[in-house]
Amino acid sequence: DTGVSQDPRHKITKRGQNVTFRCDPISEHNRLYWYRQTLGQGPEFLTYFQNEAQLEKSRLLSDRFSAERPKGSFSTLEIQRTEQGDSAMYLCASSSLRRDLEGSTDTQYFGPGTRLTVL
Amino acid sequence: RKEVEQDPGPFNVPEGATVAFNCTYSNSASQSFFWYRQDCRKEPKLLMSVYSSGNEDGRFTAQLNRASQYISLLIRDSKLSDSATYLCVVKGYSSASKIIFGSGTRLSIRP
Repeated sequence: DTGVSQDPRHKITKRGQNVTFRCDPISEHNRLYWYRQTLGQGPEFLTYFQNEAQLEKSRLLSDRFSAERPKGSFSTLEIQRTEQGDSAMYLCASSSLRRDLEGSTDTQYFGPGTRLTVL
Repeated sequence: RKEVEQDPGPFNVPEGATVAFNCTYSNSASQSFFWYRQDCRKEPKLLMSVYSSGNEDGRFTAQLNRASQYISLLIRDSKLSDSATYLCVVKGYSSASKIIFGSGTRLSIRP
């Protein structure tokens, strides 16, 4: 499978525990994004990497959240001291810049997500 | 006012019908526009990009109206398999944090 993969697919944890998720992007993509999605809402942007550099972080990303992409390939998202409000689907997407009819764009391809439940 | 707004639906239409959704955006500097499809408990999948000149892919047609700041998606001859949530995506220029997803429009096709 050459798509975006995420691990684990499901995670149940107790409040206060730390959790770490992994994302493996499409191999030729240099851009990687993390999103959070709750029921009935669209994905909300969390953070973005271009190669190994973390270029942007949302205000949604509190200091309990940290993301890394050490070698510019896979990425990890860690949540420390989880809270019940962190329960959501965490989606990873990857892209690379390409030319299209209107100049250039980077279409994002999503992984299957990690569903986090904090009890 | 949300930056990207969609009618949440649900739209419940018979198989074979034509259905259209709109999505409005507030930032006139937005540069790129997309429609994604999301099935229940699955990840979003790209349906189509939306170009200034419009874009057609089989039964699906997307339009962009920059003056009124909305994009639309038209589905002709709807199939049962079109039942899903359709997410509108609006992207600013040069800033990843300006990728905004709408909350989605739920479509249900009945036999």
